[in-house]
Amino acid sequence: DIVMTQTPLSSPVTLGQPASISCRSSQSLVHSDGNTYLSWLHQRPGLPPRLLIYKISNRFSGVPDRFSGSGAGTDFTLKISRVEAEDVGVYYCMQGTQLPWTFGQGTKVEIK
Amino acid sequence: EVQLVESGGGLVQPGGSLRLSCSASGFTFSSYWIHWVRQAPGKGLVWVSVINTDGSFTAYADSVKGRFTISRDNAQNTLYLQMNSLTAEDTAVYYCLRGEGGYYVYWGQGTLVTVSS
Repeated sequence: DIVMTQTPLSSPVTLGQPASISCRSSQSLVHSDGNTYLSWLHQRPGLPPRLLIYKISNRFSGVPDRFSGSGAGTDFTLKISRVEAEDVGVYYCMQGTQLPWTFGQGTKVEIK
Repeated sequence: EVQLVESGGGLVQPGGSLRLSCSASGFTFSSYWIHWVRQAPGKGLVWVSVINTDGSFTAYADSVKGRFTISRDNAQNTLYLQMNSLTAEDTAVYYCLRGEGGYYVYWGQGTLVTVSS
């Protein structure tokens, strides 16, 4: 199975400041079709997760442009350019390149 | 509007069984692989199982292999998860998700399974 490792696991941030989360996979996420199926999810307390970013850097519909994804191969990053109060919660990276699809442990973002 | 609505969760004793259902609407159900993902209270997301479009292929996480069975009824637009020999470690919210070819877009509220005596 592909292991997804996120850092940090907790990120206290100041409103209006940037935040960054790293995700590393135990093997390349490049699929035989040429796509890299790395996505980012956000889960607010008490709610189901929602998709933010898919295929490394594509923002899902309605996701603010302060969220951006980057990376390649085994190393990926989610950046929030200016954190807002609604951004608190847990962020997960996920690989859908190879079954079983696997998730990172989650990174808790909270306001300082 | 794409909707996946899970049901069938509840309280069950260790060693017991439960069958979850997932009712799909707003899309051509028979055209998509469908997954189950679970989340234990206060914990992260864990992939559980997947079934292909016609049910001829299934896969399971090692933790549930031999105990859980995924199936689908394309005529009824419904996915199932039969869960047997349940343990406390199976306590979680279970989500059914449409596979978009590498990621999940539509998340429902899930259904809570609690295994306890």
